[in-house]
Amino acid sequence: QVQLVESGGGVVQPGRSLRLSCAASGFTLSSHGMYWVRQAPGKGLEWVAFIWYDGSEKNYADSVRGRFTISRDNSKNTLYLQMNSLRAEDTAVYYCGRDKGRGTYYDTYGMDVCGQGTTVTVSS
Amino acid sequence: QSALTQPASVSGSPGQSITISCTGTSSDVGNYNLVSWYQQHPGKAPKLMIYENSKRPSGVSIRFSGSKSGNTASLTISGLQAEDEADYHCCSYAGSSSWVFGGGTRLTVL
Repeated sequence: QVQLVESGGGVVQPGRSLRLSCAASGFTLSSHGMYWVRQAPGKGLEWVAFIWYDGSEKNYADSVRGRFTISRDNSKNTLYLQMNSLRAEDTAVYYCGRDKGRGTYYDTYGMDVCGQGTTVTVSS
Repeated sequence: QSALTQPASVSGSPGQSITISCTGTSSDVGNYNLVSWYQQHPGKAPKLMIYENSKRPSGVSIRFSGSKSGNTASLTISGLQAEDEADYHCCSYAGSSSWVFGGGTRLTVL
């Protein structure tokens, strides 16, 4: 069945970096746009980043643009989120999610499946 | 990238119907038929309940329905059951491969 498994979370000091991974199985990763979404403690969901099926287009929330980078390796069935210059307000559970389509402007539908999440805590 | 507006909480008794609103702008909800709704139980991952405003994924109860009018989308749950108690989040496409969520609504089944 479709499965997404996030890893790489942990406790990190402000200003440091962390890379999250999302291992995909049960479907062809290269056919789908992919998301990173986060949820701070006690808060709602926040869209973080999105990448097209082939990695040719990416976009970011204003809150992370210039600090976070989304990427993918379809040959390894893995999605990544490189997080630099981390701040206390980046503390959250990070979920990766799949788009029903390829994620392009005319083939995107929203997140239909997501993983169980990985927790990132930014604290000194 | 302003968050969509949802009520912080709604409640209803078993068997009743409730509606959760999700208000955006003409740049997101009003401009695209790509509003999704997610159910999230405490400590669990979000689960897709409605996509493209009103479509239900296979396996989701027909008690869940979605609609959109102008800049506001709505999720209606009929025949409330205890297991429906959860947080509900709306999400809309906002153009140029960007997305925006609402603040989430806590549903309490009395």
